[in-house]
Amino acid sequence: SQTIHQWPATLVQPVGSPLSLECTVEGTSNPNLYWYRQAAGRGLQLLFYSVGIGQISSEVPQNLSASRPQDRQFILSSKKLLLSDSGFYLCACDHPGLTYEQYFGPGTRLTVT
Amino acid sequence: GQSLEQPSEVTAVEGAIVQINCTYQTSGFYGLSWYQQHDGGAPTFLSYNALDGLEETGRFSSFLSRSDSYGYLLLQELQMKDSASYFCAVTRPGGYNKLIFGAGTRLAVHP
Repeated sequence: SQTIHQWPATLVQPVGSPLSLECTVEGTSNPNLYWYRQAAGRGLQLLFYSVGIGQISSEVPQNLSASRPQDRQFILSSKKLLLSDSGFYLCACDHPGLTYEQYFGPGTRLTVT
Repeated sequence: GQSLEQPSEVTAVEGAIVQINCTYQTSGFYGLSWYQQHDGGAPTFLSYNALDGLEETGRFSSFLSRSDSYGYLLLQELQMKDSASYFCAVTRPGGYNKLIFGAGTRLAVHP
């Protein structure tokens, strides 16, 4: 079964600073990859998804970008963080056509000050 | 617009049965999933319903009525470890599992 790694686990960054969150997947190949953000006490909002290397789709306009340089690596970035970027960032993977289950990583809690 | 409605909080005692409802309004629908999330943790998959009816997995069951745009998660023989947030999520067409999540229901199980 697949395992998703995310780092860092927690991050405190000042407004205007850059951001790079990394997600790697083990135990599977050619997964779909997703970035979600969860505000405190709220549901998950899909930010980006990727069906293959270099293929990124954005769900909502925002201050963030994503990249997939390798099959099992997914990166979330920002050039200048905003206070509203604070939240719990979760990476997920799945294999549509095989299962409807999405597997989530442990998440990164980002606080922008 | 797209929306999923579920109660914000539910409380119950150990050994009891609790039902968490979810109504949805989305453009396109493949199925309804349920996820469990403990505080500070990652969501974990519980169930998926694509067709009307009841799906049972151990102590948890999930129901879907597509004509009513409604589903529920039923938790039986509640245990303290079931205290968590539960999210319903609609899977929409798109060539990938595009999930639209509800805001979640926080379940507190008391002794």
